[in-house]
Amino acid sequence: EIVLTQSPGTLSLSPGERATLSCRASQSISSNYLAWYQQKPGQAPRLLIYGASSRATGIPDRFSGSGSGTDFTLTISRLEPEDFAVYYCQHYGSSFSWTFGQGTKVEIK
Amino acid sequence: EVQLVESGGGLVQPGGSLRLSCAASGFTFSSYWMSWVRQAPGKGLEWVANIKEDGREKYYVDSVKGRFTISRDNAKNSLYLQMNSLRAEDTAVYYCARDAVVGYYYDSSGYHYYYGMDVWGQGTTVTVSS
Repeated sequence: EIVLTQSPGTLSLSPGERATLSCRASQSISSNYLAWYQQKPGQAPRLLIYGASSRATGIPDRFSGSGSGTDFTLTISRLEPEDFAVYYCQHYGSSFSWTFGQGTKVEIK
Repeated sequence: EVQLVESGGGLVQPGGSLRLSCAASGFTFSSYWMSWVRQAPGKGLEWVANIKEDGREKYYVDSVKGRFTISRDNAKNSLYLQMNSLRAEDTAVYYCARDAVVGYYYDSSGYHYYYGMDVWGQGTTVTVSS
């Protein structure tokens, strides 16, 4: 079973700054099956990135994803006020099951 | 408008049962795998179960195997989660989500698909407490 570990747990930044979030898999995975989600308080998650680096429909280009093997990164180039939220990485496994990381909270400094 | 609406949550005693429903609209429900994902208070997301388009394949997280049953009625555009032998640790907001092929590419070895949960409901709250 793949375990996804996200770091840091909390990222304290100011609007306009760059955010770099990490997701590490317990073993090598295909980047095709790595996705990122954003969740704001009281809301359902929203798909941001799929295939490790492709933006979902309607996602601004300040969001980008990268990585391969066991190490993946979500980058927000310049934080907007609406970007302060919790971010989760997710893997789609060979047994048709899904695994989420524990999340990284991006908070206003 | 593509939409998922959950219902059926509530307060239930430990050992009790509850059936969640998810009504889909705005897309061809029978063409998609569907999932249930839960979130305990103040915690992260946990995938619970999913079901194939025709209902013939179902998969569960280990912690709910033998207690929860996912099902669907494509004629009613509805997804269900029957939860039995509920425990305090099952307390969570339960979301239904659409499992989708969200992208693809083609190379010399054929087609390759990207997967994601691209549509989510607003969630329904289940509280297991005496």
